[in-house]
Parts: sequence; C-alpha cells; structure tokens
Amino acid sequence: GAVVSQHPSRVICKSGTSVKIECRSLDFQATTMFWYRQFPKQSLMLMATSNEGSKATYEQGVEKDKFLINHASLTLSTLTVTSAHPEDSSFYICSARWLAGYNEQFFGPGTRLTVL
Amino acid sequence: GESVGLHLPTLSVQEGDNSIINCAYSNSASDYFIWYKQESGKGPQFIIDIRSNMDKRQGQRVTVLLNKTVKHLSLQIAATQPGDSAVYFCAENRSPGRRALTFGSGTRLQVQP
Repeated sequence: GAVVSQHPSRVICKSGTSVKIECRSLDFQATTMFWYRQFPKQSLMLMATSNEGSKATYEQGVEKDKFLINHASLTLSTLTVTSAHPEDSSFYICSARWLAGYNEQFFGPGTRLTVL
Repeated sequence: GESVGLHLPTLSVQEGDNSIINCAYSNSASDYFIWYKQESGKGPQFIIDIRSNMDKRQGQRVTVLLNKTVKHLSLQIAATQPGDSAVYFCAENRSPGRRALTFGSGTRLQVQP
C-alpha cells in the first residue's frame, strides 16, 4: 500500500514551453501533497504544500506564478512549470501524506525535467 | 538559520557489518522525524520514523535513536547488505500544524562486498 506515482518520469522540453507533472496517490487518499525539487547530489527542497480544494502554500523564494499547483482531488495534484528555462531543469518529486496516518509521507518516483 | 544536518557525507562499510548514520537537528520544537533511503534516480523511500515522545524505535534490521538533549538522531542498520547502498536522509517536522518536512543534506552509504 501507500503507492505514489508521478507522470511523466522524464521530460525534455524547449525553453519557453510549459510542462505539467502529475502526482497520484494510487491506493490511499491524501489531503495534503508536497512538491520538492532536488538538484544533483543535493537534498530535497520543499517548494510548496498542496491541500485538496484550496490554494497551495509556497515556500519563500518559490515563484507561485511560475510553478502552478492544482490539487483537484484527494488523489491527484499537478505541478505546471510555466515558461520553463534551463535553470528549471531539476528532479521534481512529490509526496502525499496519508490521511489516516500521523505524518507519514510517501514519495513518488520523481520526474526528471530537462529544459533545452 | 536552523537546519537538519549530518556529521558524515559518506559512509563505507563492509557487507555484514552494522551501519550507523547520524543526524543533528537544531529545532527543539520538531516533533516528528523520519529516515528516508534514496537510490539514484528514484524518489525517497520511507524507512522508519519516530515521534519526539520516544527515544528509540525498531524496525526490520533498522533502529532509530532520538536524543532530544543533544538534538541528535541516528539510524542503525544491522547486517548491512549491498542493497542498502544509497543516500540516506533524515527529515524533521518543524511545523506540527503544517506537516511539512525539512530534509537534511544526506549521507551516502557504500556497502563493500
């Protein structure tokens, strides 16, 4: 149980285009999902907290107009990187908090974004 | 600022030995801690967690110890196997109401056969 999926796993796009990444909790309901960003050989940095049916809470320094988050249901959150540039290239990982648990977060496999 | 950090960036052990990965945290208000394992190109995998009202918790081959006096967290892996080779992160929940996690910088565990 507690499986989180992400789609796509890898995406390459041209500079200036927008990319949407989906995060799904497959076998549980998640009131809260989190989006992280990870550069090579570095730790995970929290970008935003996404709550079902409400606006996302962004961490300081994260542009909310550039990283659009939508949490339409208890099993799906999406992150859209708008007008992507090479510096947005990174590994994006989502996690979902189990509704019935204390604070266990289960992570997706990540999405490797490369902007040319 | 406050952070979750690690003493050792890389730990190399022989197969079959026990491994100990350490983590220091500075936020005394943190109430929940988790250890994650991350293999290359994959998302973090939950290993074990502990609440601040505990000082020890055991799982299968893993034990987490929490010392709130010195703000120290450790992960012990018994009989380390090649499959344990990965980067290990400690994470803390600093904001109980929000449930967001703050990750440490990570320790790479290399298991020599």
